This record gives sequence, structure tokens and C-alpha cells, in this order.
Amino acid sequence: AQKVTQTQTSISVMEKTTVTMDCVYETQDSSYFLFWYKQTASGEIVFLIRQDSYKKENATVGHYSLNFQKPKSSIGLIITATQIEDSAVYFCAMRGFNNYAQGLTFGLGTRVSVFP
Amino acid sequence: ETAVFQTPNYHVTQVGNEVSFNCKQTLGHDTMYWYKQDSKKLLKIMFSYNNKQLIVNETVPRRFSPQSSDKAHLNLRIKSVEPEDSAVYLCASSYSGTGGAQDTQYFGPGTRLLVL
Repeated sequence: AQKVTQTQTSISVMEKTTVTMDCVYETQDSSYFLFWYKQTASGEIVFLIRQDSYKKENATVGHYSLNFQKPKSSIGLIITATQIEDSAVYFCAMRGFNNYAQGLTFGLGTRVSVFP
Repeated sequence: ETAVFQTPNYHVTQVGNEVSFNCKQTLGHDTMYWYKQDSKKLLKIMFSYNNKQLIVNETVPRRFSPQSSDKAHLNLRIKSVEPEDSAVYLCASSYSGTGGAQDTQYFGPGTRLLVL
């Protein structure tokens, strides 16, 4: 069974600064996929970025980037130049390489509040 | 841009009633999913379905059943609701297979169920 742990319940940051969120995972699969989603105040869940475990380079999309440390089973999300609209709950999720039908395993989320 | 649609947005019902939620995706995906998000914001997979197989999370009570007319639609029926069914139900879709951006799951806006 897979497990995803996000230990930070909430983070508050000032606008235009950088925020980093932690996520550690457990899996028996040798290859797997890691995802970050955000849930806005309206409840909408939006895909942000993914990391395939067999890729050594950290993924980057816009002002989102990942800090993938495979030996530590860790996938941190970094948001640079934060904006007010980045305020949301951020979920880390994963699935095994061959297990698309099993769905994603999610962490409990980290609430980020960005202040002006 | 919304590509996974869910109806209704919100539903209130009484214990013992039957309810049905609809989900439609216009992304051309071949796999659809239902997740339940509880009051603590934990997201858990309930079902995944494509034209080849239905995968059921073993912890899902039998009163829940998915219904699909084609690969673009996956509805969720609850035969006799109970108070613990109060939650947000989220539909998602993706391509099947492994690796690459195509198997990323995209979520609908959710249906909030309140059981009195």
C-alpha cells in the first residue's frame, strides 16, 4: 500500500516571497508518479506539476518547481514569487507505475495563505 | 477551462434515500474515477472505470455503485444514504497507461452531499 504524508498543516507567507512545502511518501513500486494539486476556496482541484520517479531532473512549470529527493522518498513543492491567488490547499499525491486504475493516493494537504 | 463537469453542485437528502450524481468529461479520456473528500479534506479513491474494467476500492460500502453509459460519462449512485456519506464527491478522468503527461488526472468541481 502507498502512503503520502504532508506534515505542514498550514503556512503563511508574504506576497512575492517563496514558499516551500514538504511531502514524503511510501511505496513498494520501483517506478511511480508524484503529483501536486491545489484546491481553491471554491473547492476546485487543479493539477499543478508532476514528477516521474525515473527522471532525475526536477520538474518545473511556471513558478512551480519540485525538489525531488528519491533516496529520502521526498517531493517538495516550491512556489516562487507568490501571489495572493496562490492561497489554497496544496495536495501531494502519487500512484504506482502500472496502477493507473488504482487511482491516486493523497496526503492531507497544506493550507497556504499569502498576505499582501 | 472546465473539461470535467459534475451535477448537481450540492444535494441535501434524508437518510435512506437514493441519490445519483452525474459526471461528464470532454477531454477524450478513457478512464474515469470517483473520489470522496471527507470533512478533514482527505481525498480517497472510490472507483475507477474504463471500458475494460471496473476497479472498486475494497473499503467502499456496497450501497455505492458507478454507472457508465460510455467512456465520457461515469455516474455515481448511492442506494440508501447514511449520515457518514455526507462529503464532497469528486469525479476525475485521465488516459490509461503509464507515463507522460497524458495519464494525469483532471478533476471536476465536485458534488457536495449533505445527509440529514
